[in-house]
Amino acid sequence: QLQLQESGPGLVKPSETLSLTCTVSGGSISSSSYYWGWIRQPPGKGLEWIGSIYYSGSTYYNPSLKSRVTISVDTSKNQFSLKLSSVTAADTAVYYCARHVVVVTAKRHDAFDIWGQGTMVTVSS
Amino acid sequence: NFMLTQPHSVSESPGKTVTISCTRSSGSIASNYVQWYQQRPGSAPTTVIYEDNQRPSGVPDRFSGSIDSSSNSASLTISGLKTEDEADYYCQSYDSSNHHVVFGGGTKLTVL
Repeated sequence: QLQLQESGPGLVKPSETLSLTCTVSGGSISSSSYYWGWIRQPPGKGLEWIGSIYYSGSTYYNPSLKSRVTISVDTSKNQFSLKLSSVTAADTAVYYCARHVVVVTAKRHDAFDIWGQGTMVTVSS
Repeated sequence: NFMLTQPHSVSESPGKTVTISCTRSSGSIASNYVQWYQQRPGSAPTTVIYEDNQRPSGVPDRFSGSIDSSSNSASLTISGLKTEDEADYYCQSYDSSNHHVVFGGGTKLTVL
């Protein structure tokens, strides 16, 4: 079955760029039915959507993070990646990648149906 | 832009029924579908309700979802509570005005 796995450094210095990769296995990232998203969760707090990407490269981002976020996709490796620039301690969180189902009918359906296990990223000098 | 507001915590006894609300601050709750996720400590979220009231396969029928336009809110109801239901629950929807996925702040359910 489809699985997602996050990877990347667990410690990032303030003002630097956080970089994470999500590897998709058991299925193709190029499926026409899905976007692929990043969600984060600061310690003891709630979930925050960061952004999502389609296999064609089309993206949409959380407006509150848009100026610092870049999400890209590598279909040849079945991976998508997150870059978050100019990080501060407030960016310390568990970062999840997830499959993002988008269906546009009379009502839009946006949901995350398969999640990675999450990876903790700490911003500290 | 809108927010989804959930109670910070709820508690109930095993075997009872609990309802968790998710109130949309502006715009109609019926505009786009609402999903509910369960998150146990140390684990990734999993879907318990999608498209307002649909249950994924494997989710017990003790879990149900609804929306109420009069209160502009969605609700997750769990009946026959079990200790294993103790978790954080998040509602989620989509903001069409700025192409933004929105999560509620989460509700901690304690079954005691």
